[in-house]
Amino acid sequence: AQKITQTQPGMFVQEKEAVTLDCTYDTSDPSYGLFWYKQPSSGEMIFLIYQGSYDQQNATEGRYSLNFQKARKSANLVISASQLGDSAMYFCAMREGNTDKLIFGTGTRLQVFP
Amino acid sequence: NAGVMQNPRHLVRRRGQEARLRCSPMKGHSHVYWYRQLPEEGLKFMVYLQKENIIDESGMPKERFSAEFPKEGPSILRIQQVVRGDSAAYFCASSAGSYNSPLHFGNGTRLTVT
Repeated sequence: AQKITQTQPGMFVQEKEAVTLDCTYDTSDPSYGLFWYKQPSSGEMIFLIYQGSYDQQNATEGRYSLNFQKARKSANLVISASQLGDSAMYFCAMREGNTDKLIFGTGTRLQVFP
Repeated sequence: NAGVMQNPRHLVRRRGQEARLRCSPMKGHSHVYWYRQLPEEGLKFMVYLQKENIIDESGMPKERFSAEFPKEGPSILRIQQVVRGDSAAYFCASSAGSYNSPLHFGNGTRLTVT
């Protein structure tokens, strides 16, 4: 079974608008962490934001916020005020408390247009 | 800025040759991970190492692939007798080890087998 599911292979958004990238996960471990990474066309993996399973509040980092709905097992990334430089692949990942490895989703390609 | 350092950035090998990929973790990190990314796909976990120990190699192909993280020096991912299907981007990441610590990635090594 897929542990991390990203159902949107591609998304388009106009500059300065907000966009939500979907991520659902599957785990029976009560302790886990959820991560989002950005991969621009240059290829590097850039860590964006983290949400812990016990965190009471949704994580925010600048223009990035995580809409964490634990009961629905979703951890959607919200990018506010999109910029052209946000065009990239975005990967959701999960780490369960009893392991140390990150499991990645298949990614969403975001394109921001003027 | 002592981030995760990978070299070489690009590596070309003929079928049957050996490929050696190197990774120096971030300062203070003792946990190293190797991931493989095929074009237009997400990252697939290969192996997780701590100094002198392989902790989880559940994602490593059974043959031709090996990894080490010696007491001194970088972590090495070795691929013997490369085949065309080994062509991919190989990413190394390091972390401080706790489940809420993000993995910090290097820029990757792009292996091309001709």
